[in-house]
Amino acid sequence: SQTIHQWPATLVQPVGSPLSLECTVEGTSNPNLYWYRQAAGRGLQLLFYSVGIGQISSEVPQNLSASRPQDRQFILSSKKLLLSDSGFYLCAWSHDRRTEAFFGQGTRLTVV
Amino acid sequence: RKEVEQDPGPFNVPEGATVAFNCTYSNSASQSFFWYRQDCRKEPKLLMSVYSSGNEDGRFTAQLNRASQYISLLIRDSKLSDSATYLCVVNTYTGTASKLTFGTGTRLQVTL
Repeated sequence: SQTIHQWPATLVQPVGSPLSLECTVEGTSNPNLYWYRQAAGRGLQLLFYSVGIGQISSEVPQNLSASRPQDRQFILSSKKLLLSDSGFYLCAWSHDRRTEAFFGQGTRLTVV
Repeated sequence: RKEVEQDPGPFNVPEGATVAFNCTYSNSASQSFFWYRQDCRKEPKLLMSVYSSGNEDGRFTAQLNRASQYISLLIRDSKLSDSATYLCVVNTYTGTASKLTFGTGTRLQVTL
């Protein structure tokens, strides 16, 4: 069976510090991978998606970036965090273009 | 216009009640549709897919009207454990990848 791992679960970072969130998927190959952010009391905002190694599409311009160095690894990064980057970050994967997505447990980021 | 729109609620209903959630989407090229459930401070989890012919899973019934670009979820005999936020999700193929777009969710509170 497939599983998705996302870490850390919670993170408190000062403004201006860098960020690296990692997500890995097991039990499948060549998944579609996604990073979402959910601000407090808001809906899920798609940040990045990837259909393969090194292929990243960005949905919203911001100070975040994503990379996919391996087939089942998806990394979300920032060089300098802003207060507005606080939120619940969720990694997800799907088999292909028609199927549902499965989420990791999320990282709750607080920028102080 | 938002790509996926939902009534945010909250819907406060007594146990045993029937409750219906509605969702509209703007992209007529969207191909697959889902309802997710999100508990407070947790990741979204797939509740059910939505098929053109309508589908049922126990107390839950989902309907899709492609002509009106409208999706619904009906919950019968509500349980306390149904209290959560219900997210309408639309999958649109962009030509290179699938893109899942989430509504902001409808909050349901089932009471004694």
